[in-house]
Amino acid sequence: LAKTTQPISMDSYEGQEVNITCSHNNIATNDYITWYQQFPSQGPRFIIQGYKTKVTNEVASLFIPADRKSSTLSLPRVSLSDTAVYYCLVGTMNTGFQKLVFGTGTRLLVSP
Amino acid sequence: DAMVIQNPRYQVTQFGKPVTLSCSQTLNHNVMYWYQQKSSQAPKLLFHYYDKDFNNEADTPDNFQSRRPNTSFCFLDIRSPGLGDAAMYLCATSREGYNEQFFGPGTRLTVL
Repeated sequence: LAKTTQPISMDSYEGQEVNITCSHNNIATNDYITWYQQFPSQGPRFIIQGYKTKVTNEVASLFIPADRKSSTLSLPRVSLSDTAVYYCLVGTMNTGFQKLVFGTGTRLLVSP
Repeated sequence: DAMVIQNPRYQVTQFGKPVTLSCSQTLNHNVMYWYQQKSSQAPKLLFHYYDKDFNNEADTPDNFQSRRPNTSFCFLDIRSPGLGDAAMYLCATSREGYNEQFFGPGTRLTVL
């Protein structure tokens, strides 16, 4: 399973765009990149997943360069409620399921 | 709404006294997972069920057992809890062939 490296923490203000970059230098050909969000005392919640180029949903965008050795989660116009830990994970389907290995995560603090 | 339910949300047990945590799901997913998350750490996979097939992680202590009597329910048994087993225990599910895992709110276990 590819190991991921991401900043321990980030600070932002309401209304700003936040970009969290994750490094995964030994990503395998079949690996997908997935991001989860976790609020205190809650289980993680799936945000977005991608394989290459750019993926966008109603919550975030995920940018993946051609070499796929890194990825950037972009949160547009953050609010206080976006304060959470964001985990970048890399893995592949293994006979029908994905084994998640969580890294340290990035603790995002959004201030007024 | 379809969801993953964990009971109880908070559990207190005594050192060495067996404890069982429960998880139920209305998603009809065939894969269920148990994670352990200690304070300020990332979730760590303990084991998972793929249908009725049980898969233990190599570093999961023997003290931890699991049962899945049917598709909807899964139990985590801690035979002799130690102080180091105090943590949040997260249950998650996924559908075969899909990457996204759906997490429950977790059970916070305190060992006295």
